[in-house]
Amino acid sequence: KQEVTQIPAALSVPEGENLVLNCSFTDSAIYNLQWFRQDPGKGLTSLLLIQSSQREQTSGRLNASLDKSSGRSTLYIAASQPGDSATYLCAVVYYGNNRLAFGKGNQVVVIP
Amino acid sequence: SQTIHQWPATLVQPVGSPLSLECTVEGTSNPNLYWYRQAAGRGLQLLFYSVGIGQISSEVPQNLSASRPQDRQFILSSKKLLLSDSGFYLCAWSQGPNTEAFFGQGTRLTVV
Repeated sequence: KQEVTQIPAALSVPEGENLVLNCSFTDSAIYNLQWFRQDPGKGLTSLLLIQSSQREQTSGRLNASLDKSSGRSTLYIAASQPGDSATYLCAVVYYGNNRLAFGKGNQVVVIP
Repeated sequence: SQTIHQWPATLVQPVGSPLSLECTVEGTSNPNLYWYRQAAGRGLQLLFYSVGIGQISSEVPQNLSASRPQDRQFILSSKKLLLSDSGFYLCAWSQGPNTEAFFGQGTRLTVV
């Protein structure tokens, strides 16, 4: 079964610390992996898209890596701020499918 | 630039009543369109996707249906709502399985 897992479900970090969020997937045959942010009661905001041929993507304080062979992706958020508090979702598009398979998310609280 | 509109933002409906949620995309043509549902404590579940006008794929048998009457319009419907239809409904679009996906702001549906 093609699944996506995000552990832990929730975490808190002090402001200024780097955030490290992990995502694992069960099949290396993927088109891409995408990280999203979701604020309470809101839709999903795309943060980074990593194509299967890429190893990482960067946008500002965000960096996402992809290791297909081990079925893992990591999202790094440098120097976290209270405004980074949100739920972060990882999603994968597996070959042969035309849809995103989502993890359940990491709920992050950055403590001032 | 491309934008996605989804309405209404919130909806409270009695059991047995009909439902119509609408999603439109601007600034692109022939998008892939998706309806997801997010239930409390669970991941996003794909309900329907469409690769073109009149082409609908259903992922999960349920009390809902979808239609795509125009290229950039996607409608989620039900003839008679159940309590279990309550949830957060999200519309999304992409240009294909290997491209970035974008989400609307969601509709919070409460069936009472």
